[in-house]
Amino acid sequence: EDQVTQSPEALRLQEGESSSLNCSYTVSGLRGLFWYRQDPGKGPEFLFTLYSAGEEKEKERLKATLTKKESFLHITAPKPEDSATYLCAVPYGQNFVFGPGTRLSVLP
Amino acid sequence: ETGVTQSPTHLIKTRGQQVTLRCSSQSGHNTVSWYQQALGQGPQFIFQYYREEENGRGNFPPRFSGLQFPNYSSELNVNALELDDSALYLCASSSNSGGNTDTQYFGPGTRLTVL
Repeated sequence: EDQVTQSPEALRLQEGESSSLNCSYTVSGLRGLFWYRQDPGKGPEFLFTLYSAGEEKEKERLKATLTKKESFLHITAPKPEDSATYLCAVPYGQNFVFGPGTRLSVLP
Repeated sequence: ETGVTQSPTHLIKTRGQQVTLRCSSQSGHNTVSWYQQALGQGPQFIFQYYREEENGRGNFPPRFSGLQFPNYSSELNVNALELDDSALYLCASSSNSGGNTDTQYFGPGTRLTVL
């Protein structure tokens, strides 16, 4: 079965302090890698889909990149409203296999 | 465009009872997937419905069952509730258009507490 891991488990940043989150996966024949943001007690909100190594996607302060074995979510000059859990997922059969998530806290 | 909706938002049951959770898919989507998310973990796949039939199932016992209706809405039923069934239950819809994997869009979830 495909495995998805994420690091770090938790990350605390000061407002404006850029950093990166990692998603590593083992999969035969990647059919996409998906990033979601989840606020406490709410459903995941779709951010990006990446389909091939070298692909990049950007949205506001977030940029996602993909290699053959991992993906990074880069956060540039984060704000407190970026605080959330960030989940990555890869397709496996009919379902998505999710990583455990990275809990990001951005302090003012 | 209406997003994915779920009801109820919160539910409290006792061990051994049965529960039904409901989901309306996003307009234009014909596929619904259900996930269970325990506190501090990523969502775990329960099953998927496409054209009113189960189209894949995760590692969950048969007491977890579902339905999909002609309007693509769906229900998740859990019988003989156990304490470990306490979790956030998420419904996601997608369009199953073929080719690359379709993005799944999630509803707000139903928080189930089993006492």
